[in-house]
Amino acid sequence: KQEVTQIPAALSVPEGENLVLNCSFTDSAIYNLQWFRQDPGKGLTSLLLIQSSQREQTSGRLNASLDKSSGRSTLYIAASQPGDSATYLCAVDSGNTPLVFGKGTRLSVIA
Amino acid sequence: ETGVTQSPTHLIKTRGQQVTLRCSSQSGHNTVSWYQQALGQGPQFIFQYYREEENGRGNFPPRFSGLQFPNYSSELNVNALELDDSALYLCASRGLAGQPDTQYFGPGTRLTVL
Repeated sequence: KQEVTQIPAALSVPEGENLVLNCSFTDSAIYNLQWFRQDPGKGLTSLLLIQSSQREQTSGRLNASLDKSSGRSTLYIAASQPGDSATYLCAVDSGNTPLVFGKGTRLSVIA
Repeated sequence: ETGVTQSPTHLIKTRGQQVTLRCSSQSGHNTVSWYQQALGQGPQFIFQYYREEENGRGNFPPRFSGLQFPNYSSELNVNALELDDSALYLCASRGLAGQPDTQYFGPGTRLTVL
């Protein structure tokens, strides 16, 4: 059974700092891994999707990496801004199965 | 905006009542999944519908049921509501069942059971 863990559970950083969010999963047989952003009480916004054959994906100040063999992914946020404050969730798609989510990392960027 | 819409936005019910939540999938998407997200937790899979048939179910009791219509919109029905059913209910759509592609989530319905 796939299990997804995100560390840390919460993070508070000053504006401008670069930061890394971590995601680990127990079964390396995945099709893709997706990072989502969730604002309080809102739905999920897809940030980046990495196919199992890829090592990383970039979108603006965001960079996600995937090491399938070790069961790890990281989301790197450069030059953080107060508007980046949200909960970040990673989810694993093993194909023909539902997404399995971590509990998320709650990020606060202080101006 | 993902093109996935859900209604209502918020809902308050009392224990024992029944509720129906609705989801309109993104145009062209024939697969809809429903997730329950309790406060402080990641979303948990309830079930998935592909071309009007349920083709996957998570660890939820039978009082959670669903439908998918010919236009691929979907309903989630919950009978005999319990306090623990209070959560954000999310639906997600994607193009083809079993294909590894992006799932697009709606804004969710916040259900409160008193």
